Amino acid sequence: GAVVSQHPSWVICKSGTSVKIECRSLDFQATTMFWYRQFPKQSLMLMATSNEGSKATYEQGVEKDKFLINHASLTLSTLTVTSAHPEDSSFYICSASLTLGGLVTEAFFGQGTRLTVV
Amino acid sequence: SQQGEEDPQALSIQEGENATMNCSYKTSINNLQWYRQNSGRGLVHLILIRSNEREKHSGRLRVTLDTSKKSSSLLITASRAADTASYFCATDSRSNTGKLIFGQGTTLQVKP
Repeated sequence: GAVVSQHPSWVICKSGTSVKIECRSLDFQATTMFWYRQFPKQSLMLMATSNEGSKATYEQGVEKDKFLINHASLTLSTLTVTSAHPEDSSFYICSASLTLGGLVTEAFFGQGTRLTVV
Repeated sequence: SQQGEEDPQALSIQEGENATMNCSYKTSINNLQWYRQNSGRGLVHLILIRSNEREKHSGRLRVTLDTSKKSSSLLITASRAADTASYFCATDSRSNTGKLIFGQGTTLQVKP
């Protein structure tokens, strides 16, 4: 199947610093990617839709100035957590879907990034 | 926001038994997908079922979809200890963009 690669797989940063997470579709082009956040023992919550060449669409309650999303190419979306605080510590995971014959198929997920803010 | 609910939230069974997990959702969908997640790891795609399908099989997995009741079920037959994981349903709305809304998940423990 298609491969989505996410980097880094884990990161520890100091409070107040910024962290960038990369999401790449390795063998297909993705005009749209999605970013999710998962707190311990909870489900995945959609944060935003990353659109290639245009602004991201954020879900209600997600601060766009805090979670900066850039989708500069058809294979790369980045999520930057700015001025991170301990409450931002979470598992962040991206996804991209294949489109075949105009039909969106399964979503392919990156391996996820475990962010710990100390 | 969460699309719906899954039940049970936790399920503990013996190896060899069948495990059934249910998922309910709120809005019209294009497709529903089931994923598995081992503790602290990424998601593994299990099955996608489209809104015009009622049942789908893949190995020991059987998924049903009832759009009139807005519900789906995942059956794992002859469970193995290695099936221990969290299982999530996720819905892709009518717009079919690949944007998924996840259920709350079921934590399955299969005892050897």
